[in-house]
Amino acid sequence: NAGVTQTPKFQVLKTGQSMTLQCAQDMNHEYMSWYRQDPGMGLRLIHYSVGAGITDQGEVPNGYNVSRSTTEDFPLRLLSAAPSQTSVYFCASSYQGMSYNSPLHFGNGTRLTVT
Amino acid sequence: GENVEQHPSTLSVQEGDSAVIKCTYSDSASNYFPWYKQELGKGPQLIIDIRSNVGEKKDQRIAVTLNKTAKHFSLHITETQPEDSAVYFCAASIADMRFGAGTRLTVK
Repeated sequence: NAGVTQTPKFQVLKTGQSMTLQCAQDMNHEYMSWYRQDPGMGLRLIHYSVGAGITDQGEVPNGYNVSRSTTEDFPLRLLSAAPSQTSVYFCASSYQGMSYNSPLHFGNGTRLTVT
Repeated sequence: GENVEQHPSTLSVQEGDSAVIKCTYSDSASNYFPWYKQELGKGPQLIIDIRSNVGEKKDQRIAVTLNKTAKHFSLHITETQPEDSAVYFCAASIADMRFGAGTRLTVK
């Protein structure tokens, strides 16, 4: 059981480039989400999904896209990277949606630098 | 949306002492309050959680208390050890989970 797997671990982009952060879980969790972590600001929710084919915006969705074609995978796309998107990104999953009080399981993060 | 505030931002204690971290939340509909521990280079890991129908929960050296009327909850760590040194996050949840800014705990 690998849990939540994020790739890559580190990435450097130039302003304007696009990329996809990968997230996969093998726990058959319905709920998946993406957070960004910035110093002094904790974890802020970008997008989340309550099941395959369903996604919704979180607190800070601008500049990011997501899709959920399978239960296992929840990629995060940066369409045109900006320096303000320099951050550590965490993917998390949960057995059920947040309305069921299920704890989140986190991956080990992707550290992204945009120059 | 929900707003979670966490204090203090840094906390330094001597080994064997107790540590207390406090959080407040804004939405009275929040009903689930987990605490996460994050070690360097890793993702946050759940250490304890409490639901809104419970006032207190304990797991060995860790306890969490919840005051729904005042909308605040606290993490208590007793007999602290060097391996307790980490960043701790509180969170509150209804439709999605919102986190506090974190507390860096150092056990000397």
